[in-house]
Amino acid sequence: KQEVTQIPAALSVPEGENLVLNCSFTDSAIYNLQWFRQDPGKGLTSLLLIQSSQREQTSGRLNASLDKSSGRSTLYIAASQPGDSATYLCAVEDSGYALNFGKGTSLLVTP
Amino acid sequence: EAQVTQNPRYLITVTGKKLTVTCSQNMNHEYMSWYRQDPGLGLRQIYYSMNVEVTDKGDVPEGYKVSRKEKRNFPLILESPSPNQTSLYFCASSLSSTRGRNQPQHFGDGTRLSIL
Repeated sequence: KQEVTQIPAALSVPEGENLVLNCSFTDSAIYNLQWFRQDPGKGLTSLLLIQSSQREQTSGRLNASLDKSSGRSTLYIAASQPGDSATYLCAVEDSGYALNFGKGTSLLVTP
Repeated sequence: EAQVTQNPRYLITVTGKKLTVTCSQNMNHEYMSWYRQDPGLGLRQIYYSMNVEVTDKGDVPEGYKVSRKEKRNFPLILESPSPNQTSLYFCASSLSSTRGRNQPQHFGDGTRLSIL
């Protein structure tokens, strides 16, 4: 069974810092890896999707990388802002037609 | 506006009283799914549907039923709810389950169920 781990569980940084969130998974036979953002009282918002054949995806200040062979992905957030405060979830889609989620990294960006 | 709509958003009910959580999407998506989110356990899939009249179990299907009679709707049914089904539930959809797996999933805002 695919297991997805996210480190750290929580992170607090001052505004303007660049930061990296980590995700690891146990089975490299994946279709894609997705990063989501979850705000309190809200659903999940898809941030980036990296297909298994890709190495990275970028959207604005966000950059996600994928190393399938080592079972790792990172989400890089440049020049963090208080509005980036949320829980970030990594999810892997494999042959089971389900997204296997990590438990998330809770990010707080302080002004 | 493209969206996944769940109702109700909040519900407090009692053990054994049948309830249905509705989910509707307006994006003509083929694939729909239900997840539950619990502290310390993360998000786990309950059921999914590849298309109309096609449903299958996820990781935690016990105590739940689903149906997919129309493409846009995918209700989650708790025939006899129990306290261990107290959770935050999310419905999700994506464009295609057959023409390519690499489609981002769109999530509803969640339904918080409390079973007393």
